[in-house]
Amino acid sequence: DGGITQSPKYLFRKEGQNVTLSCEQNLNHDAMYWYRQDPGQGLRLIYYSQIVNDFQKGDIAEGYSVSREKKESFPLTVTSAQKNPTAFYLCASSNLAGAAYNEQFFGPGTRLTVL
Amino acid sequence: AQKVTQAQTEISVVEKEDVTLDCVYETRDTTYYLFWYKQPPSGELVFLIRRNSFDEQNEISGRYSWNFQKSTSSFNFTITASQVVDSAVYFCALSSGDKIIFGKGTRLHILP
Repeated sequence: DGGITQSPKYLFRKEGQNVTLSCEQNLNHDAMYWYRQDPGQGLRLIYYSQIVNDFQKGDIAEGYSVSREKKESFPLTVTSAQKNPTAFYLCASSNLAGAAYNEQFFGPGTRLTVL
Repeated sequence: AQKVTQAQTEISVVEKEDVTLDCVYETRDTTYYLFWYKQPPSGELVFLIRRNSFDEQNEISGRYSWNFQKSTSSFNFTITASQVVDSAVYFCALSSGDKIIFGKGTRLHILP
């Protein structure tokens, strides 16, 4: 089955620890995205990547980092610099990078709770 | 600046009623795309429809229909004869480049 996988579904971390969220896609999509979802806030873009070894900051990149070493993988690291990391994180991909008409396909999300 | 407004934060209707979710957008671009996504309780967003700025024809897919009006910058979504399985958060979104701007979503409760 083609799709996007995110792991784990639930993640608990102590304050001050870095944590990496996994995102893998087997759709052969060029572009990948990370969003953060808070209650009543909709989806806010953290980072996106249109090609391997390249990525751009979204609207709320502070306290996060990403890498895109392989086309199918786009891990997100939530660093200790992120002031309020507890949230639901969604990864997405789309077929052609930079094409406005392409819908995004989403993974099941990771719910991160920082204690 | 681009913006998507979903003024209805939460709606509750009784099963079999019709319900319309509103979406108003702002953009200066002449070419753009509008989307609706559904987020069920499982959390994964599901793509429902895409509409480009040059096609104002309404679309119907089963119990779902969409009304796009450029004159009012609106792209409203109607569910006819709602069912409990329609309970979800619905997002309207706008794209004219390499990013999609999402509205804050409307949480829809269909009561049995």
